[in-house]
Amino acid sequence: NAGVTQTPKFQVLKTGQSMTLQCAQDMNHEYMSWYRQDPGMGLRLIHYSVGAGITDQGEVPNGYNVSRSTTEDFPLRLLSAAPSQTSVYFCASWTVNNEQFFGPGTRLTVL
Amino acid sequence: DAKTTQPPSMDCAEGRAANLPCNHSTISGNEYVYWYRQIHSQGPQYIIHGLKNNETNEMASLIITEDRKSSTLILPHATLRDTAVYYCIVRGDSNYQLIWGAGTKLIIKP
Repeated sequence: NAGVTQTPKFQVLKTGQSMTLQCAQDMNHEYMSWYRQDPGMGLRLIHYSVGAGITDQGEVPNGYNVSRSTTEDFPLRLLSAAPSQTSVYFCASWTVNNEQFFGPGTRLTVL
Repeated sequence: DAKTTQPPSMDCAEGRAANLPCNHSTISGNEYVYWYRQIHSQGPQYIIHGLKNNETNEMASLIITEDRKSSTLILPHATLRDTAVYYCIVRGDSNYQLIWGAGTKLIIKP
């Protein structure tokens, strides 16, 4: 099992550019989520999904879109990147007892 | 979900038990206490969780007070590899959102 994988590991964008962060899991977990982590702080929930075709907003959803067409994949789209979106992004998947498995993260810099 | 309070940092000598406290005075009856840790900006790693009974696994023990307003994570024989930020989180089964505070930075010293 690869667990939770994220691509790319690093990304630099210019203000206004768009991009998609990829997340995939091979554990057949029903639930997936995206977090961002700013320096010295805990994780903040962006969006989450409770199954294919079902997504909902978390604490900080503005500027981000998600979709869940399959159980395995949960991409995060930045619509028009802003410097305030410079952060480390983590994807997680979990089972009903909420033991979350995290990917290695994507380090995004917006200039 | 209930909020948690943790000390910002702690030290522990290698080989000794590390005891990390967490206050969650507003926890409700159906909310679990979860502990995760994050080593050097890697993705967080699940450690243990519990409702009201004490729990133990291969990584740690979780002691929850009888009134459930606080808990302690115990790493029985800390090693240098246990240096990390430790997060205490509470949530209920019907809520998919976890509220993460700043955690406790645990430094294990040789």
